[in-house]
Amino acid sequence: NAGVTQTPKFQVLKTGQSMTLQCAQDMNHEYMSWYRQDPGMGLRLIHYSVGAGITDQGEVPNGYNVSRSTTEDFPLRLLSAAPSQTSVYFCASSYRGASRYNSPLHFGNGTRLTVT
Amino acid sequence: AQSVTQLDSHVSVSEGTPVLLRCNYSSSYSPSLFWYVQHPNKGLQLLLKYTSAATLVKGINGFEAEFKKSETSFHLTKPSAHMSDAAEYFCVVTSGAGNMLTFGGGTRLMVKP
Repeated sequence: NAGVTQTPKFQVLKTGQSMTLQCAQDMNHEYMSWYRQDPGMGLRLIHYSVGAGITDQGEVPNGYNVSRSTTEDFPLRLLSAAPSQTSVYFCASSYRGASRYNSPLHFGNGTRLTVT
Repeated sequence: AQSVTQLDSHVSVSEGTPVLLRCNYSSSYSPSLFWYVQHPNKGLQLLLKYTSAATLVKGINGFEAEFKKSETSFHLTKPSAHMSDAAEYFCVVTSGAGNMLTFGGGTRLMVKP
């Protein structure tokens, strides 16, 4: 079973460039989310979606866009990359929100992004 | 508003000795609490969760945690550490439907032979 698949695994960007981080899940999960992980700060929620066509902001949404045109895919777009966006990005999905239906988050293996 | 504080950024134990990873939380509403583990260069995996049922929660790999409302704590314990337990551990809080999760800063557990 594939679970949550993130691509690419690594990416280097120059300041001002744009790119899209891909996330796909094959578990028919309604809830999908993007986190960034920085040393000593745990994971911080960027954006999340509770279903196709529905997205909402998390804790640190500035500089990032998302869309959810299908249940399976939840891409994260960096509009104009900045060095402060150097981080490891994780996509996670669950059947519903984490408190409901005993539905734990399933994480991808992450994308390591460096902005120079 | 909700927040999580993991009281130790690093914990070192010897193999076969007990593990204690400390977590304090704050939440305006009845919280759900989780512990996740992250092995190097991997995503996170759920260890256990508390969602207002039994206050002592058992998870995978021999870990357990106790929800103490009066102390706003959710400490993670294991009676006997294994080398394979070396990883980073995250305490997580959410409330309501669980769409907004707040992670602690993480505790890196080192296990010495």
